[in-house]
Amino acid sequence: GAGVSQSPRYKVAKRGQDVALRCDPISGHVSLFWYQQALGQGPEFLTYFQNEAQLDKSGLPSDRFFAERPEGSVSTLKIQRTQQEDSAVYLCASSQPGQGVVVTEAFFGQGTRLTVV
Amino acid sequence: RKEVEQDPGPFNVPEGATVAFNCTYSNSASQSFFWYRQDCRKEPKLLMSVYSSGNEDGRFTAQLNRASQYISLLIRDSKLSDSATYLCVVNAESKTGFQKLVFGTGTRLLVSP
Repeated sequence: GAGVSQSPRYKVAKRGQDVALRCDPISGHVSLFWYQQALGQGPEFLTYFQNEAQLDKSGLPSDRFFAERPEGSVSTLKIQRTQQEDSAVYLCASSQPGQGVVVTEAFFGQGTRLTVV
Repeated sequence: RKEVEQDPGPFNVPEGATVAFNCTYSNSASQSFFWYRQDCRKEPKLLMSVYSSGNEDGRFTAQLNRASQYISLLIRDSKLSDSATYLCVVNAESKTGFQKLVFGTGTRLLVSP
């Protein structure tokens, strides 16, 4: 399809397990964002890519979180040694503008619901 | 203080009612403002941008008050299908100079028959 695609849609992980979440942005979109949404809260910024460059990772909660976008298209968010507090929906969004240009509309994927047990 | 603050609600209104949501933001340098809609267990989707002069899209009217740093959304003639969470979104410049979207917690609207 033409939208942002995320996989898996649902992931149950045992505490301590590593997980990898995938995002396929809209083709041609320069900017890619990862957000974390806890139950009853708005999305919280995690990290941002412009093409393959990770320009801001200030929102990543700990060094257990790692994101990459090696070819400037698909991105992977990896969480090592998952903890219960990592349980949330992880949303990926893409948009056309690059750095220095005011963000207009961001298109979101349906998210990956991560549950750590 | 959160960068973007909203009343979480829920706002319970009957069909046909007019309802208004407000949102305040802390960064006076913000340039772009949006309302996103999020249905239960779905992703956020852009409802409308908010312009300084105010803008209207059908039953929805958005207004921006830069001096007071608040944004409003007015929904007239509420429909059952308007039931959702409405997210106030403001752009903010990060330390690296790029513009990121900062979301409020969202205001939940429930429209009943």
